[in-house]
Amino acid sequence: GNSVTQMEGPVTLSEEAFLTINCTYTATGYPSLFWYVQYPGEGLQLLLKATKADDKGSNKGFEATYRKETTSFHLEKGSVQVSDSAVYFCALRGNQGGKLIFGQGTELSVKP
Amino acid sequence: DAMVIQNPRYQVTQFGKPVTLSCSQTLNHNVMYWYQQKSSQAPKLLFHYYDKDFNNEADTPDNFQSRRPNTSFCFLDIRSPGLGDAAMYLCATTGLTNYGYTFGSGTRLTVV
Repeated sequence: GNSVTQMEGPVTLSEEAFLTINCTYTATGYPSLFWYVQYPGEGLQLLLKATKADDKGSNKGFEATYRKETTSFHLEKGSVQVSDSAVYFCALRGNQGGKLIFGQGTELSVKP
Repeated sequence: DAMVIQNPRYQVTQFGKPVTLSCSQTLNHNVMYWYQQKSSQAPKLLFHYYDKDFNNEADTPDNFQSRRPNTSFCFLDIRSPGLGDAAMYLCATTGLTNYGYTFGSGTRLTVV
């Protein structure tokens, strides 16, 4: 079945550091891929998405590229801010629709 | 403007006392979901509606029920909350098959 694996957290960075959160997936066909962010005490917000191979999703300085050859969708940001501290979830949805499958989440803490 | 609205944001209930959480959406989407999330873990799907068709996950306890009186509203009923049911409950909706879900801000349930 479909699955998503994320790097374990917590990840602690200093402000303005470079961020990478690894995400790999297993799926049949051509799923759509997503990154969600969850700030403390809040629901999940869609951060970015990509619906086909080689698509790059981007938002608020974050980027992720859909790599079918490596079945990956790593999240990157060139310079993190304290306000980026949150839990990040990688997710996929099969090309026939269906359930959103989440990775286990990666907590990011950015220190001033 | 919020598109998926959950009420209340915080709910305290007594052990064994029935409680209802509500969700409404302004997107007119066919599908609505209820998730349970504990301690920044990945959200766990409890059940979903496709229009009025109810789909229960195999491991969702019987203690959890749901109602969807119309397209806009969906309710989560916990018949006899236990201490282990304390969690964040997230409602979500989706439209097109290759899109992600839109989540509400969640209801934090405390059982005392």
